[in-house]
Amino acid sequence: EDKVVQSPLSLVVHEGDTVTLNCSYEVTNFRSLLWYKQEKKAPTFLFMLTSSGIEKKSGRLSSILDKKELFSILNITATQTGDSAIYLCAVEAYDMRFGAGTRLTVKP
Amino acid sequence: DTGVSQDPRHKITKRGQNVTFRCDPISEHNRLYWYRQTLGQGPEFLTYFQNEAQLEKSRLLSDRFSAERPKGSFSTLEIQRTEQGDSAMYLCASSLGIGVSSGNTIYFGEGSWLTVV
Repeated sequence: EDKVVQSPLSLVVHEGDTVTLNCSYEVTNFRSLLWYKQEKKAPTFLFMLTSSGIEKKSGRLSSILDKKELFSILNITATQTGDSAIYLCAVEAYDMRFGAGTRLTVKP
Repeated sequence: DTGVSQDPRHKITKRGQNVTFRCDPISEHNRLYWYRQTLGQGPEFLTYFQNEAQLEKSRLLSDRFSAERPKGSFSTLEIQRTEQGDSAMYLCASSLGIGVSSGNTIYFGEGSWLTVV
């Protein structure tokens, strides 16, 4: 069965730290990998990755995909308290499967 | 509001009762997903539709769960004989075309919270 595994499940850092979130997957018919940020409501889209080795950036967030090793990382530099959220990785194959998420807490 | 809408937003029910949730996707979105999410966990895939066809159903979905999308527009998710373990947020999402890799963004509804007491 298709699997999406995120690590760590929980992370506590201080403002200004850099964090790396991991997502590994095993799916049939991989199409894309997506990162979402979820605060109190529905997930909001961050990135979609389809090609290996091409970094996507948005401000302090960046992400890259390795289709050979079947994983992706999401980096957040100079973290702020507003970055506190659950970060979800999802893989689109025949459908869309989510990992359990990484709960990031950024302390002042 | 032209986003994905879900109804009801909150439902409290007694164990053993049936509940039904409705999802209205964005107009003309032909792909519709249902997920279940409990506190601190990522969304668990339940099922998805391409137009009116239910293409896949998770093994997590017991026989008490059924979803329909009769005209390829709105969808309903029914849970029969609810159990306390069914307490969760039920999320609906939709996208245009065959999926996000076609360049189509997936849009989520606000979710329907179910509490079984």
